[in-house]
Amino acid sequence: ETGVTQTPRHLVMGMTNKKSLKCEQHLGHNAMYWYKQSAKKPLELMFVYNFKEQTENNSVPSRFSPECPNSSHLFLHLHTLQPEDSALYLCASSLISGSSYNEQFFGPGTRLTVL
Amino acid sequence: AQTVTQSQPEMSVQEAETVTLSCTYDTSESDYYLFWYKQPPSRQMILVIRQEAYKQQNATENRFSVNFQKAAKSFSLKISDSQLGDAAMYFCAYRSARGAGSYQLTFGKGTKLSVIP
Repeated sequence: ETGVTQTPRHLVMGMTNKKSLKCEQHLGHNAMYWYKQSAKKPLELMFVYNFKEQTENNSVPSRFSPECPNSSHLFLHLHTLQPEDSALYLCASSLISGSSYNEQFFGPGTRLTVL
Repeated sequence: AQTVTQSQPEMSVQEAETVTLSCTYDTSESDYYLFWYKQPPSRQMILVIRQEAYKQQNATENRFSVNFQKAAKSFSLKISDSQLGDAAMYFCAYRSARGAGSYQLTFGKGTKLSVIP
């Protein structure tokens, strides 16, 4: 596997279910991100992890819970979601350094549908 | 807070022709980066081109070039000799060069580009 991978690619869940999205990066990066992409809206940054520490949480509802056990893996735990949470969830990674322009590499996304 | 505006929800271009996608942004910062990302249907988002705000020279990557007008806060993407594989959503994005905002990409809503054979 190369680059940034995400599983599953598609997920359908009920509002009472608990599920998790997984992201893995094979690029040696030290920062990882979760984005939400909804139709006709700009990509929204949800969470940022830098060196496994969460540095940004853009007022995301608590029904979304991130976990970053190491610099290569990132999870998004989902519980009691709402239909408006249906979207494409993108994971990205980058190399944070003093001289880097910090290009973010994206995974293919998980298409989530909440019934 | 920074905002990024892409005023063209959809564009189309004939194969082999040239098309320009528009992007404007709002910021009070002087040092930042600008990006164009491409998202083909059902495929991963990839970086097309980037521009550092302190550089006056416009960035170029093969058939892709930008027109960066810092005073006007404008950052358009020109695609020359359009190919069928250029069909995709194109997103303009902004990132601060330092501070907490240097982790965050602010995206526009995107422009859907169709290429007509």
